[in-house]
Amino acid sequence: QVQLQESGPGLVKPSQTLSLTCTVSGDSITSGGYYWSWIRQHPVRGLEWIGYIYYTGSTFHNPSLQSRIDISIDTSKNQFSLEVRSVTAADTALYYCARTYAGNSGYDSWGQGTLVVVSS
Amino acid sequence: DIQMTQSPSSLSASVGDRVTITCRASQNIRGYLNWYQQKPGRAPKLLISAASGLQDGVPSRFSGSGSGTGFTLTISSLQPEDFATYYCQQSYATPQTFGQGTRLEIK
Repeated sequence: QVQLQESGPGLVKPSQTLSLTCTVSGDSITSGGYYWSWIRQHPVRGLEWIGYIYYTGSTFHNPSLQSRIDISIDTSKNQFSLEVRSVTAADTALYYCARTYAGNSGYDSWGQGTLVVVSS
Repeated sequence: DIQMTQSPSSLSASVGDRVTITCRASQNIRGYLNWYQQKPGRAPKLLISAASGLQDGVPSRFSGSGSGTGFTLTISSLQPEDFATYYCQQSYATPQTFGQGTRLEIK
């Protein structure tokens, strides 16, 4: 059974870059058909889709964040990553990595989530 | 972006009750609608995909229906472990979007 685990700093200073990694175990990240995703949850604004990446490197980002984010994949390590540049307090959230089949199915596997706080 | 609106935002019910949660999309999303259950401190759990496809291991008291812009999640007989927050999500188009959630509480 596939498992996902987020890792990264829990505290980031305003204007700096937030960097998170999701390590996938129990399945290859190159398994055909799956898109590897980042989703965040704000206390008030709820769940927000950040974007996803296919093992070939094709990415789809939320336009509201597109200019500030990068999603990348390292198939040799079975990991994918998120960078959010120029963070503000509005980027404070619980960040999840998750998996979806074909990019248009539900998210059937999730990491436990990692809280990132943006504060000086 | 496609807006997803759930109703009600919160709901009080008793064990054994039949409960229905509604999700409306701001445009036609065909059948690309998924339902999740989230308990405090946990990641969302996929219950139903493609509007009516029950995920493996999810009890049959959960069911989903709808297409186009209107969808429902029904729990036929509430159990104590069902008290949680429920979210709908459209996967028809990017950016994918979620409803604001329906908090199901014990009456």
